[in-house]
Amino acid sequence: DTGVSQNPRHKITKRGQNVTFRCDPISEHNRLYWYRQTLGQGPEFLTYFQNEAQLEKSRLLSDRFSAERPKGSFSTLEIQRTEQGDSAMYLCASSARDSKASEAFFGQGTRLTVV
Amino acid sequence: AQTVTQSQPEMSVQEAETVTLSCTYDTSESDYYLFWYKQPPSRQMILVIRQEAYKQQNATENRFSVNFQKAAKSFSLKISDSQLGDAAMYFCAYVLSNFGNEKLTFGTGTRLTIIP
Repeated sequence: DTGVSQNPRHKITKRGQNVTFRCDPISEHNRLYWYRQTLGQGPEFLTYFQNEAQLEKSRLLSDRFSAERPKGSFSTLEIQRTEQGDSAMYLCASSARDSKASEAFFGQGTRLTVV
Repeated sequence: AQTVTQSQPEMSVQEAETVTLSCTYDTSESDYYLFWYKQPPSRQMILVIRQEAYKQQNATENRFSVNFQKAAKSFSLKISDSQLGDAAMYFCAYVLSNFGNEKLTFGTGTRLTIIP
């Protein structure tokens, strides 16, 4: 296992289009997180899964955003009707079970540009 | 709500010298973790060092060490013998030590430049 994998690495889309990103966590990790990072800022928490259950969602995650982790393995993040303000780096991270605040391993991110 | 503040947007250091990056945080909780993450250009974020709030001893990882001042809510990172590979964005982060509350709160980052 080579770590957390995110696809695509880059996505350019027109305003109003829908986009979907995929995250493959480290195989034995049951916790998966999505963050958004805009230029000059630190990552901001979007949502968190434990296995297939989505346990927490940030207020940043508007109704246009939906995340799934159907079998407790990979996760998808969909943005509907994209807006220019959605342009950002979307980061995925995973961590192992049964440990408090264990190390979160991050993927390289998907950079979204909405034109 | 918890907040993390990094007041140094950019820092630079001569190769082989020592540099300290600052971080302060605000929380009403007593049990939490603090982290320093490194984000090299176009590469994924990696954990540099972790500190558990209930441990008084400062964490160290090879050339990296922290100065954790719980009462002052300060968590600085010291990098000794700086190397060119240390050039990156460094983020300070906080997380509560509760199962079911795993979200990291990050600062805005410090861009570290290493001068050869």
